[in-house]
Amino acid sequence: AIQLTQSPSSLSASVGDRVTIACRASQGVTTSLAWYQQKSGKPPKILVYDASILESGVPSRFRGSGSGTDFTLTINSLQPEDFATYYCQQFHTYPLTFGGGTKVEIK
Amino acid sequence: QVQLQESGPGLVKPSETLSLSCAVSGGSITTTSYYWGWIRQPPGKGLEWIGNIYSDGNALYNPSVQSRVTISIDTSKRQISLNLSSVTAADTAVYYCVRGRRELPANFWGRGTLVTVSS
Repeated sequence: AIQLTQSPSSLSASVGDRVTIACRASQGVTTSLAWYQQKSGKPPKILVYDASILESGVPSRFRGSGSGTDFTLTINSLQPEDFATYYCQQFHTYPLTFGGGTKVEIK
Repeated sequence: QVQLQESGPGLVKPSETLSLSCAVSGGSITTTSYYWGWIRQPPGKGLEWIGNIYSDGNALYNPSVQSRVTISIDTSKRQISLNLSSVTAADTAVYYCVRGRRELPANFWGRGTLVTVSS
């Protein structure tokens, strides 16, 4: 199975900061990568698919980039509602796999 | 807008079978444009894909549970089902029912249901 390694596992940031989360795949997944946001007690919500395509309704401050094995989720001007845990997922090869998550906390 | 509602026992004994249902409302369950699936999340941990099924009944499973899992679809009842046999404490998790566009990641999730495996 393709392993996805996210870094960092957690970070502290302030409202207005730019935040970058990395996801590295153990083998190439082309651009078949998604990013999800999960708040406590809620199901994950998809933010980005195909590495860089924003899901409908997702604010433009979220940006996904990358291809092959290295991907990045950037949040520009962090908002209070963005404090959550973020997961990457590859959908290039079965079994579908997720990264371990990055928790974004308030500094 | 499609809505997914999971239901089933919140407590299952070790070695028994975990059975969950997912009621689908607000959208077609027979279209070939979508797939339905289950994803789980142990308390305080990350996400694990269990399997997907298409409206024609074709299913794909995670090898980690393949020998124990069955996902089925009942279009007349508008329901997706998950059966996981021989459960252990490691199967304790919130189980999510999901829908995705074909060849794309899941973009609709149910609220999830917590299943605890304990005697």
